[in-house]
Amino acid sequence: QVTLKESGPALVKPTQTLTLTCSFSGFSLTTDGMCLSWIRQPPGKALEWLARIDWAGDKYYSTSLGTRLTISRDTSKNQVVLTMTNLDPVDTATYFCAREETRGYFDSWGQGILVTVSS
Amino acid sequence: DIQMTQSPSSLSASVGGRVTLTCRASQTISKSLNWYQQKPGKAPKLLIYGASNLATGVPSRFTGSGSGTHFTLTITSLQPEDFATYYCQQSFVFPPSFGQGTKLEIK
Repeated sequence: QVTLKESGPALVKPTQTLTLTCSFSGFSLTTDGMCLSWIRQPPGKALEWLARIDWAGDKYYSTSLGTRLTISRDTSKNQVVLTMTNLDPVDTATYFCAREETRGYFDSWGQGILVTVSS
Repeated sequence: DIQMTQSPSSLSASVGGRVTLTCRASQTISKSLNWYQQKPGKAPKLLIYGASNLATGVPSRFTGSGSGTHFTLTITSLQPEDFATYYCQQSFVFPPSFGQGTKLEIK
């Protein structure tokens, strides 16, 4: 059974750095073709893909947010970490991690974590 | 980036009825189109991948079709649990992108 769960702070101040952790089980991120992505959703708005790390450790970022994002993995702990710098209130959103299948669809999702950016 | 446009943004339908949701891509994406269902406060759930393939455990009343730039999701015999927001997502080119969603409400 595949499970994913996001953890991190619920409240962050503007200009601070956000660090989110996705802990997963039921699959190996080192299996050929396996990827894990971060996706966010501002309240009442659509989904926005942020970043991906794949089975080889290659990293991919949103074209609009790329310079603010860093994704990394700890394969021994089955965890993927996303950091986002210079937070702004517009970054207030629910952040999801999701397993991304080879063909590019997200077949398993975490429950999401709501992060509010406010002073 | 490829822009995904969904229509309508919302619609009302009755239990037992049938609806068709549309998703258009700003450039051709072959059949690399996926559909998700999201209920309030929950994570999205994969319904359809590769334009027309039903994800595991998804009822057969959900049907996806299309290729190129025009795609549809049809739901027949609507059940109370089907009222939710539906998102399309292209996986043809990097970066993956989502539509803005269609909210399906009970009439």
